[in-house]
Parts: sequence; structure tokens; C-alpha cells
Amino acid sequence: SAVISQKPSRDICQRGTSLTIQCQVDSQVTMMFWYRQQPGQSLTLIATANQGSEATYESGFVIDKFPISRPNLTFSTLTVSNMSPEDSSIYLCSVETGLEAFFGQGTRLTVV
Amino acid sequence: AQTVTQSQPEMSVQEAETVTLSCTYDTSESDYYLFWYKQPPSRQMILVIRQEAYKQQNATENRFSVNFQKAAKSFSLKISDSQLGDAAMYFCAYRSGSSGDKLTFGTGTRLAVRP
Repeated sequence: SAVISQKPSRDICQRGTSLTIQCQVDSQVTMMFWYRQQPGQSLTLIATANQGSEATYESGFVIDKFPISRPNLTFSTLTVSNMSPEDSSIYLCSVETGLEAFFGQGTRLTVV
Repeated sequence: AQTVTQSQPEMSVQEAETVTLSCTYDTSESDYYLFWYKQPPSRQMILVIRQEAYKQQNATENRFSVNFQKAAKSFSLKISDSQLGDAAMYFCAYRSGSSGDKLTFGTGTRLAVRP
């Protein structure tokens, strides 16, 4: 199993600013995943972060908007840059151990 | 690309009764995994149950069981003896058999439990 600590749990940000979300895992994992969950909707994968290499982004997501760092095997950050109200969502990080995915508690972001 | 469809945006069940949540998926792969995740108001995603496609036997976890129909590409979740704590969003998810592949989620079903 894996325990994930994600910070902040929520934030209200001004448009045009950036927010960095942190994700700390209690064990070493190869891949970390970042998801977005827009209000009332399902989870959409933003990118997959491997330690020591650039993140792999899904269609519709770009590094300039969602830069990701993965400095070691237990930590990752996702930055939401130049925010607009459309970025208001829940952002979740996730890891997989074995066949099971574990998730952080999510960050509820509101952009005003 | 794989798709996961949950056709029931909302469901309601009386406490202690049984409810079934539907999920269908589309894939051309033969090796894959299917999951049901629960997301309560706390937002914490919790794995409810997992099914390996190569297993014919339906997975069961206490009050939770699945009806896996591989040919029909159907994967429904049955919750027996429903409890108030079962109230949550339930997401069906698919993952390819390739290690580290992403999860593809359905749109979710919001389950309400009436006391």
C-alpha cells in the first residue's frame, strides 16, 4: 500500500497567478500520476511523472501550463500556471503499487 | 482508445437493501483490469474492488461484488446490505495489462443511501 500526503487541500487563487501542489508518498515509486477532476465530472489524467525524466503529458495538457517536477522517488509537484477560472477543479496525485492505485486527498482549486 | 461508460449519473438505495451500479467498457485488448473506486465527500479515492480480465470468477469483497461479463464488456457493482457510509461517487475504471498504464475512468455514479 501507499500513503500519499497532498498539499494544499484547497486554495482560492487570483486569475493570472500560479499554484504549486505538492505530493509526498511514504514509499518509493517509479511513476506518479496527476489527475484533474472538474466539478461534477470524472478524473482526467494530466501527466505521468517519472523520476529523472520529463513528464509525459496527455492530449490537451501542455508543460507550459502544468509544469511538473519529480526530484526523487517519493515526491512530485504540479504547478497550475497563469490560472483562469476554467482551471477551477480538484487536482489529485496518484501512485500505483502492484495492481492498485492510491490517491492523495486532492487539492480543491478555485480561481477567481 | 479505451472508453468506460457509466449510464447512471445518480442512484438511490434504501439502507440495508441491495443496489447495482452499471459499467460498460470498450477495448480491443485481451489483458486488462477493471476497478470500482469510491469517492466520498472527503474526496479520498478508495479502491472498492478489482477484477482481472483473465479470471472468470467474479470478484467479491465483503458486501461488494461484481458481475463481470467479458463478452458483453460489462462490469457492474453490486452493493448488498447498503449502509449510510456507502453514500459516495462510484467510478468504474479500466487499466491495460501493460505495467504503469494509466487508468481510464467512467463519468461516475452518485449513490445516495436513504435511512
